[in-house]
Amino acid sequence: EPEVTQTPSHQVTQMGQEVILRCVPISNHLYFYWYRQILGQKVEFLVSFYNNEISEKSEIFDDQFSVERPDGSNFTLKIRSTKLEDSAMYFCASSERSANYGYTFGSGTRLTVV
Amino acid sequence: AQTVTQSQPEMSVQEAETVTLSCTYDTSENNYYLFWYKQPPSRQMILVIRQEAYKQQNATENRFSVNFQKAAKSFSLKISDSQLGDTAMYFCAFMNPPSGGGADGLTFGKGTHLIIQP
Repeated sequence: EPEVTQTPSHQVTQMGQEVILRCVPISNHLYFYWYRQILGQKVEFLVSFYNNEISEKSEIFDDQFSVERPDGSNFTLKIRSTKLEDSAMYFCASSERSANYGYTFGSGTRLTVV
Repeated sequence: AQTVTQSQPEMSVQEAETVTLSCTYDTSENNYYLFWYKQPPSRQMILVIRQEAYKQQNATENRFSVNFQKAAKSFSLKISDSQLGDTAMYFCAFMNPPSGGGADGLTFGKGTHLIIQP
């Protein structure tokens, strides 16, 4: 069964550094998403991407975040200057049709900011 | 803003029993979508079942079914004949009607950790 692949599975970075989290969505999917889950808290929506542009973003997704689909297969989340509170699991997801049909999630990247 | 509440942080049942996970939500919308996602220890969230609010019939997927009570804003998940592989975190999620682009975000509950005992 097709999967959404995320790399790395765990990344440790120093506060203030830039990180790029990578995702390979399912190949025929058109809609892409990033979510995060701070330990012990809810999974939170960050951003959605469709037709090569951001479709929707949450209040969390401020100027330190950006997304890109650089080569038609990868979907990346960049955090420009990481803060301790950015430590979380980051989940990528994709969907073939519009979001109301449900997503396929990746296994996540655990980001630890020290 | 929509909220989703799962009042049971953890539940434990014996294998083969039936278990019901509760979920309530708050919205002023009339049409929306509800989902249950399962997150096994391997961490990948899997869609279990979805419900369209304008459909009165409860969704069913094999051993999984929902009890959707629109007036009460309740969306519980029933797992029949529970199996060891059902052990996971279960998240209830809400989505507004898709906006122009169709790439809409989900609002999740905090999850229920379901443990199936042998």
